Amino acid sequence: SQKIEQNSEALNIQEGKTATLTCNYTNYSPAYLQWYRQDPGRGPVFLLLIRENEKEKRKERLKVTFDTTLKQSLFHITASQPADSATYLCALDGDDKIIFGKGTRLHILP
Amino acid sequence: KAGVTQTPRYLIKTRGQQVTLSCSPISGHRSVSWYQQTPGQGLQFLFEYFSETQRNKGNFPGRFSGRQFSNSRSEMNVSTLELGDSALYLCASSLVQGAYEQFFGPGTRLTVL
Repeated sequence: SQKIEQNSEALNIQEGKTATLTCNYTNYSPAYLQWYRQDPGRGPVFLLLIRENEKEKRKERLKVTFDTTLKQSLFHITASQPADSATYLCALDGDDKIIFGKGTRLHILP
Repeated sequence: KAGVTQTPRYLIKTRGQQVTLSCSPISGHRSVSWYQQTPGQGLQFLFEYFSETQRNKGNFPGRFSGRQFSNSRSEMNVSTLELGDSALYLCASSLVQGAYEQFFGPGTRLTVL
């Protein structure tokens, strides 16, 4: 069956450390993968898009990798801050529609 | 530039009723997508409209329908409401078709009693 899974429901990271979130998928061949941030009571906010022919993409303290062999994307936040606490969603294009993971709740502890 | 707006923000309906939700995309954006978000199922794609045509559809029953107007504004309709339709309904807009780099609205919280 087709699945997209984010490795943990919640993740606690000490301020200043690097937070790494995982998105795994099975039985899809996405052309791209996206990461969004969602705060409670608000709509998701687009962060980064990485295409299948790109291995890595960076934006300020954010870095995304995409390994089509492992069927996995990693999302890194370096020098994490309490303001980075939120739910992070990955999304891929599958079967002509966008599929979202259920998200990882990230808590940055001061 | 104004963001994506959705109206109403909150709505309470009873089973069997129907509801219409509205979405105004960012100026210049021609693609509008709709999503249902629940704690159990997460964010699920309903459909995407581009240039007034439905381009993609998720796995939802025919009770869920939508349309897009020539100014790119979109409406979503749910008929014969069921308790399980209680959810946050999100609209997102983007420049091009395909749900790339979407800008989401704040959502409409629908409660079905």
